[in-house]
Amino acid sequence: AQRVTQPEKLLSVFKGAPVELKCNYSYSGSPELFWYVQYSRQRLQLLLRHISRESIKGFTADLNKGETSFHLKKPFAQEEDSAMYYCVTFGNEKLTFGTGTRLTIIP
Amino acid sequence: NAGVTQTPKFQVLKTGQSMTLQCAQDMNHNSMYWYRQDPGMGLRLIYYSASEGTTDKGEVPNGYNVSRLNKREFSLRLESAAPSQTSVYFCASSDLSYLSLHFGNGTRLTVT
Repeated sequence: AQRVTQPEKLLSVFKGAPVELKCNYSYSGSPELFWYVQYSRQRLQLLLRHISRESIKGFTADLNKGETSFHLKKPFAQEEDSAMYYCVTFGNEKLTFGTGTRLTIIP
Repeated sequence: NAGVTQTPKFQVLKTGQSMTLQCAQDMNHNSMYWYRQDPGMGLRLIYYSASEGTTDKGEVPNGYNVSRLNKREFSLRLESAAPSQTSVYFCASSDLSYLSLHFGNGTRLTVT
């Protein structure tokens, strides 16, 4: 069975400081992994996916198969990064969401 | 191009009442999903439909039924609402590659 673990429910970071949102997964096979974000009063939206190896809004995430992790990182936090972040895996035609991390950027 | 549209946005029900949440997408996506979002639980899959005419149970299907009316529409029905079903419900759709999941704005349901 797929499982996604986001160990931090809440994370507060000062503006300009580095951000790391942790995500670990368990899946037998080659997973597809995503980060979704929900800003205040907006709908959930895709932030980035591991296969594209892209950087969106300064965020990157590297798939580490050895550690089964897909941590989301940004070198310098901005106030507009405050949001709810979900790590997501895809397999067996289903998406599995982590429990989410609420990131608050302190001005 | 509206994307994924959910109705209603808010609903209050009494225990035992029934209601249907409507969802429609205009992106010609094959797959559609219903999730519920609860504090500390993240998003949990209730039901999904990989294609028109098929539906499958997700993680928390008890107390719900779904209908994939056509390719565009996927409705979620609560036959006898319970306070444990108080939640925010999200409909979503995705294309065949599952690389693009589009969400609706959500329905906030309160069961008293």
